[in-house]
Amino acid sequence: NAGVTQTPKFRVLKTGQSMTLLCAQDMNHEYMYWYRQDPGMGLRLIHYSVGEGTTAKGEVPDGYNVSRLKKQNFLLGLESAAPSQTSVYFCASSYSDRRDTGELFFGEGSRLTVL
Amino acid sequence: AQSVTQLDSHVSVSEGTPVLLRCNYSSSYSPSLFWYVQHPNKGLQLLLKYTSAATLVKGINGFEAEFKKSETSFHLTKPSAHMSDAAEYFCVVSEDATNKLIFGTGTLLAVQP
Repeated sequence: NAGVTQTPKFRVLKTGQSMTLLCAQDMNHEYMYWYRQDPGMGLRLIHYSVGEGTTAKGEVPDGYNVSRLKKQNFLLGLESAAPSQTSVYFCASSYSDRRDTGELFFGEGSRLTVL
Repeated sequence: AQSVTQLDSHVSVSEGTPVLLRCNYSSSYSPSLFWYVQHPNKGLQLLLKYTSAATLVKGINGFEAEFKKSETSFHLTKPSAHMSDAAEYFCVVSEDATNKLIFGTGTLLAVQP
């Protein structure tokens, strides 16, 4: 029962390098999200998707791109990494966008360090 | 705009004593409120949620929270702490009819033996 799986779990980049974080869910959820978690700031929404082939900006989208080519996968890309993007990234999915039923299921996080 | 404030960044209790984690919210409309828990090196897990039904909400692992509109609060409580409760707890508000949630900054709960 995998749920939401993120790869890689850890990565160190140099400023200016690019990388992609992969999120995969096996619960047939329509909605998927990418958050970043920074000390003392809680979680902030980067981008989200309401279905295959769709993406939308969240609270802090600058410097990131996303794609949802398959329903089960949601990719987060950094084209030119900056030290300010050092963070822990969480992917989440849900089966409903209704606030009274939707429960987010989270992956275990990907810790990214940009030197 | 909606927001949520967790009043304590760190709380330490002894095993077997009550737990109180405080949360206040700001919302123009009737909000939905959630508590999520994050154990070390794990993702977040839903603990409980309030969505305009009963104001006293029971969650997993013996936790409960009470929605108090007059005080704009949604404090999380547990009668007796267990070592396994040591984790970070996030209060979350959603005002819109979507799952775009606003997270508090978290409260780290330590449980002493």
